Parts: sequence; C-alpha cells; structure tokens
Amino acid sequence: AQSVTQLDSQVPVFEEAPVELRCNYSSSVSVYLFWYVQYPNQGLQLLLKYLSGSTLVKGINGFEAEFNKSQTSFHLRKPSVHISDTAEYFCAVSASYGGATNKLIFGTGTLLAVQP
Amino acid sequence: GAVVSQHPSRVICKSGTSVKIECRSLDFQATTMFWYRQFPKQSLMLMATSNEGSKATYEQGVEKDKFLINHASLTLSTLTVTSAHPEDSSFYICSARKFLGQGYEQYFGPGTRLTVT
Repeated sequence: AQSVTQLDSQVPVFEEAPVELRCNYSSSVSVYLFWYVQYPNQGLQLLLKYLSGSTLVKGINGFEAEFNKSQTSFHLRKPSVHISDTAEYFCAVSASYGGATNKLIFGTGTLLAVQP
Repeated sequence: GAVVSQHPSRVICKSGTSVKIECRSLDFQATTMFWYRQFPKQSLMLMATSNEGSKATYEQGVEKDKFLINHASLTLSTLTVTSAHPEDSSFYICSARKFLGQGYEQYFGPGTRLTVT
C-alpha cells in the first residue's frame, strides 16, 4: 500500500519569495508521483508528475519538483511566488501509471498563502 | 484537450431526498471515471471507481447502496446520493481517465458542493 505525508498544513510566504512544499511518501513498490493544485471551490489541476527518468521535473506556472528515492520525497518548489499562487496543493502517489486502475492516493494538502 | 465537467456545481437538498450528480468527459472517451469526496480543509478520499458497462468498484467503508454509481456511456458517469442526510454534505469531485500513450492520466471535474439540510 502507498501513503503520502504532507507535513505542512499551511505555508505562509511573501510575494516574490521562494517556496518549498514538502511531500514524503511510503511504498513497497515503485511509484509515480504527482502534484495537483486546487483553487477555492474548484477541482484539481495537474502541476507536474514524475514517471521515470530525470529526477527534476518541471511543471506549469513555474513550479518544479525533485524526486529523491533515498529520502522518499517529492518536494515542490517555486523560486518566486505570486499572489495568484495562493491555493491548496496536493501531493499524490500511484503504484500504476499504465495499468488498469492507477488509483491516486492523496496527501492531506498544503495551503500556500502568498502575502503581499 | 481533456475537459471534465460536473453538474450541478452546487445543490441543496432536504434530508431524505436523493441527489444525482453528473460527470462528463467533454472531449474524450473515458472507460474509467473516479468519484472522490472532500471534506472541508481535508484531502480527497476515493469513493469508487466507475467502469463503463460494468459495476462500480467501491472503496472500503463506502456504502454502495447509498452512493449509486452508473457509468452508462463512455462520456458520462453519475453519482446518486440516496436518502441524503446532513452528514453527506461534502464536496464531490469526479475524474476521468484518459490514455496518453505512456499511460493513463486523470482529469478532474470542478466539483459539486452538496448541502443537505
């Protein structure tokens, strides 16, 4: 079974400052990792995903994440945030990408609160 | 593109009534759709996997007789909350699975806010 831990429920940061949202996972098998963003009262939008290959993954809106197998982490980073980045961010893991089910297991989310 | 819609976006119903929520993949066919439930300030919990032409697969602890799922076509899945109670009030989100060559990816709908009074 897989699980995802997002230790920070809320991360306040000033506009134009860098930010890192932490995500750790546990799994007995190889995993595929995702970051989603959710704006208020909306569904989820995929920011980026790690399937294989380069451990540094670049996504939309200037976000990137680094897969670290030894530390079982997939932290999300952005060098300079904007007010519009204020949203809930979810890390998710799946044991299958090409398979028949590829269920997503979500972390509890981190609220990124960007202040002017 | 890969757009998923949900209808209605929000619904208020009285306790004891049933509510149907629709999930549509607008520009692709989805043999598999997923239904999630999200409580305020919490994560998404998978309720069930909806497969076109067959019975849905429910996660442990989800009452299949209370949350009826019908995946009647390759672009439509419905979730019916039967005999709704206030504790069923929640944000319900669906996703539709699309094959992208390497594998499948889920595209999420905008969600449906259900309030049971």
